[in-house]
Amino acid sequence: DIQMTQSPSTLSASVGDRVTIACRASQSISSWLAWYQQKPGKGPKLLIYKASSLESGVTSRFSGSGSGTEFTLTISSLQPDDFATYYCQHYNSYPYTFGQGTKLEIK
Amino acid sequence: EVQLLESGGGLVQPGGSLRLSCAASGLTLSNYAMSWVRQAPGKGLEWVSTVAFKTFYSDSVKGRFTISRDNSKNTLFLQMNSLRAEDTAVYYCAKYKGFCTSASCPHNAFDIWGQGTMVTVSS
Repeated sequence: DIQMTQSPSTLSASVGDRVTIACRASQSISSWLAWYQQKPGKGPKLLIYKASSLESGVTSRFSGSGSGTEFTLTISSLQPDDFATYYCQHYNSYPYTFGQGTKLEIK
Repeated sequence: EVQLLESGGGLVQPGGSLRLSCAASGLTLSNYAMSWVRQAPGKGLEWVSTVAFKTFYSDSVKGRFTISRDNSKNTLFLQMNSLRAEDTAVYYCAKYKGFCTSASCPHNAFDIWGQGTMVTVSS
C-alpha cells in the first residue's frame, strides 16, 4: 500500500499569513493527488485534484503543486474560514490512502 | 443541488450487523464510481470500499463488508457484518469526480461527500 505522510501535524498561523502543508507519498503517484478541507462535524470538501487543479468554486487562495512523491498545498493570505484540518489523498491505485491530517490553528 | 444523505448508523454489539444507505439527489449514481470512507473518533480519514464496474475493499473490511447500489432508488449501500470495536467511526459516502465510461471508471478524487452517519460498535 502507498503511505501518505503530511507535515506538519499542527500549524499555528495568523490571518493574512501564507502557509504551506507538505505531503509525501511512499512511492510515485504521478499527479494523482487530492487535497481536502474538513471542519468539525462536517464531511471533507475537495479543494485540489490532480495535484494542482483547483476544484470549481474553491477560492484561488488555495493552490497545489508537486508530482511523483512530493506535494504541497499553499494557502495565501489566510482568512478566518480557512482554519480547519487538511488532508492529502492519493488515488493512483487501490487502496486509496490519506495523510494523517494537518490541523491549521489560529495563532 | 447535488446532495448525498447517509443513514442507518447506530449502536451495535460486536459481531453484529448494520446496513448503511446513501441516498443521492441531483445526480444519477449509476454514472459514477462511489465510495465509503470512514473516520474513527478524533482520527483521520480511511477509505473503506468502492463500487465501479467492480467492487474494491480495504483489507480491514474485506470479507465482512459488502458495497452495492440500487440504481432504481439512486442509493448506495454498505452491508457491514461481523462488526468489531475498531469499526466504530463516522461513515461517509463520497462520489468520484468524473463520469464512468462504458468501459471503465477511472481513479479519481472525491468531489461530493455526505454529512456522515455514526456507527458505534460496543457491548
